[in-house]
Amino acid sequence: GESVGLHLPTLSVQEGDNSIINCAYSNSASDYFIWYKQESGKGPQFIIDIRSNMDKRQGQRVTVLLNKTVKHLSLQIAATQPGDSAVYFCAENMEDSSYKLIFGSGTRLLVRP
Amino acid sequence: DSGVTQTPKHLITATGQRVTLRCSPRSGDLSVYWYQQSLDQGLQFLIQYYNGEERAKGNILERFSAQQFPDLHSELNLSSLELGDSALYFCASSVRGLSYNEQFFGPGTRLTVL
Repeated sequence: GESVGLHLPTLSVQEGDNSIINCAYSNSASDYFIWYKQESGKGPQFIIDIRSNMDKRQGQRVTVLLNKTVKHLSLQIAATQPGDSAVYFCAENMEDSSYKLIFGSGTRLLVRP
Repeated sequence: DSGVTQTPKHLITATGQRVTLRCSPRSGDLSVYWYQQSLDQGLQFLIQYYNGEERAKGNILERFSAQQFPDLHSELNLSSLELGDSALYFCASSVRGLSYNEQFFGPGTRLTVL
């Protein structure tokens, strides 16, 4: 399930540091945003979501920030661990008939021990 | 484990052939989505089914088709395969697909067209 071969931006962080992954989304009408983590050989895994009526949401070690003015989404991972190494995708979802996800291009996170 | 299963895990075939990818959604989920992850295009939505009915189409080629059966499993049929169809194909399911529901992804089928 890895996105190898894609020219993905890469973020390299030291274990224990905080990571910030950014995403610019495309549609100002999008209502719902999700961050997915994709590890090598696996399908995307839900991390955290946020609705457009919020600007911040916190989970366990993760925080998502939404700036609708500039159509920007970020994922903050606290105390990054080796197991966090993966490709991270933001996805947007519109309240149309399908609720299909529109994925961003992804960021590869590498955690240095 | 997301609870979504996909078979086969790997598929190698030749140009011009036809293949069928299978997806079983999580128990109780009525909506199935298919996505294609290629090297140069990232994850792209292909098609959605809800309770047996096609609900939305994305960037799906005419050579591709899908269906959802009464037991809610879904199949994606790819025909007249081309080299460019080589990709990972993911199935996702959600409870209803009629509102904001988390989509759970299967492990994917890696298709290689030679």
